Amino acid sequence: AQKVTQAQTEISVVEKEDVTLDCVYETRDTTYYLFWYKQPPSGELVFLIRRNSFDEQNEISGRYSWNFQKSTSSFNFTITASQVVDSAVYFCALETSGSRLTFGEGTQLTVNP
Amino acid sequence: EAQVTQNPRYLITVTGKKLTVTCSQNMNHEYMSWYRQDPGLGLRQIYYSMNVEVTDKGDVPEGYKVSRKEKRNFPLILESPSPNQTSLYFCASAVISFANTGELFFGEGSRLTVL
Repeated sequence: AQKVTQAQTEISVVEKEDVTLDCVYETRDTTYYLFWYKQPPSGELVFLIRRNSFDEQNEISGRYSWNFQKSTSSFNFTITASQVVDSAVYFCALETSGSRLTFGEGTQLTVNP
Repeated sequence: EAQVTQNPRYLITVTGKKLTVTCSQNMNHEYMSWYRQDPGLGLRQIYYSMNVEVTDKGDVPEGYKVSRKEKRNFPLILESPSPNQTSLYFCASAVISFANTGELFFGEGSRLTVL
């Protein structure tokens, strides 16, 4: 069985604060993929990143960064200097063999001006 | 424009009245899937398809059917809808690489209410 846990249901920050969204996953597969998706208030789902289980390098894309640690089965997402436009629901997801895709419950991030 | 199109976007129906939510993609993707989104539960996979005539159950397939007769279409069928199928539904497609999917492209969602 596979599982993704996003323990933070809601996070509220003030603009320009840094914020980290946690994602913990469970799988017995040795090959798997991890994803983050963003769902802004308009409702669409937007792809942010895909990482395979053999690549533990951290990744930075502008104000976004991701920290993948196999030792703790975590794939955390940090937004630096948050902006109001970052307000959204963020989903972490796990794909294992056979393309079974499991999403976490999502974290609602609110960035206040 | 590359896109995944779902119809209808909004639907109110009654218990037991069969309905179909269509999904079409124009990116020649092998992989297509359906998800339902419910508060506090995130997105849960209903069915997915790796290619034409190949479909597999996701985590919550009960009460749903799918078919993949053509590469571009992946309709979701509710034979006898019940109120617990009231939800927001998303269709998605992706390229398959080394037996796994790449970035998922999502439709805009279909909000279904079953009375």
